[in-house]
Amino acid sequence: QVQLVQSGAEVKKPGASVKVSCKASGYTFTNYGISWVRQAPGQGPEWMGWINTYNGNTNYAQKFQGRVTMTTDTSTSTAYMELRSLTSDDTAVYYCARSIVGAYEDYWGQGTLVTVSS
Amino acid sequence: DIVMTQSPDSLAVSLGERATINCKSSQSVLYSSNNKNYLGWYQQKPGQPPKLLIYWASTRESGVPDRFSGSGSGTDFTLTIGSLQAEDVAVYYCQQYYTPPHSFGQGTKLEIK
Repeated sequence: QVQLVQSGAEVKKPGASVKVSCKASGYTFTNYGISWVRQAPGQGPEWMGWINTYNGNTNYAQKFQGRVTMTTDTSTSTAYMELRSLTSDDTAVYYCARSIVGAYEDYWGQGTLVTVSS
Repeated sequence: DIVMTQSPDSLAVSLGERATINCKSSQSVLYSSNNKNYLGWYQQKPGQPPKLLIYWASTRESGVPDRFSGSGSGTDFTLTIGSLQAEDVAVYYCQQYYTPPHSFGQGTKLEIK
C-alpha cells in the first residue's frame, strides 16, 4: 500500500532552517511527483510547491521562492523540503503528498509539526 | 494567483439529509485542450491530513462512498453529500490545480444538526 512517512516534530528558533523528510513506499517513486503543503494552526492548507521526482524539476509558490528548496533521493525514495529564515509565521504542520504529475495530491504523509519560537 | 472561495463557512445538517458545499474560483480552471476542470475536493478530520474525495471536479477517488459527488465547470463547483452520516463531520476544502500555486479554499466546516 502507498505510504508516505515523514520525519518527526521540530522546534526551531527564528532565523534558523528546517529540513523535513518524506519516505515513500508502495509505489514507483519516480512515477509521481511530491508536493509540499503546510497548514498553520486553525488555518486551511497552503500549497508550497512541487518536485518532479523523475528529473528533479521544481515549481515553488512565489511566496516561498528563495527560501525553500525541495529535493529527492531516488535511491531511498525520499523527498526533502528545506525552509530557511524561519519566523513565527512558519509555525505549521508540513505535509508531503504524492502528486499526480502537475495535478492533484492523492496520498498524504502524516504531517510534521514545525514550531518556530524564541 | 487563483483565489478559491467556498460557501458557506460552516454548515449544520441533520443525519440522512443532503449537504451542499460551493466553491468558486477567481478564474476558470477548465483546460480547453482536454475539457477537464482542474478542481479537487478534500475532507479533513482533526489531527489528520486532508483526504482526497473528488478530482477532475467530478471523479470520485477509489474507496470514497458514492454519497459524495462533485459537479460544476469553469468557475463554479459543488460538493454534495447525498445522505449525511456521522462520520462525515469534517472540514471540506476545494483546491484548484490548474496553475501554480495550487490554491485551496478557506474550508467549510460540516457539523450535525
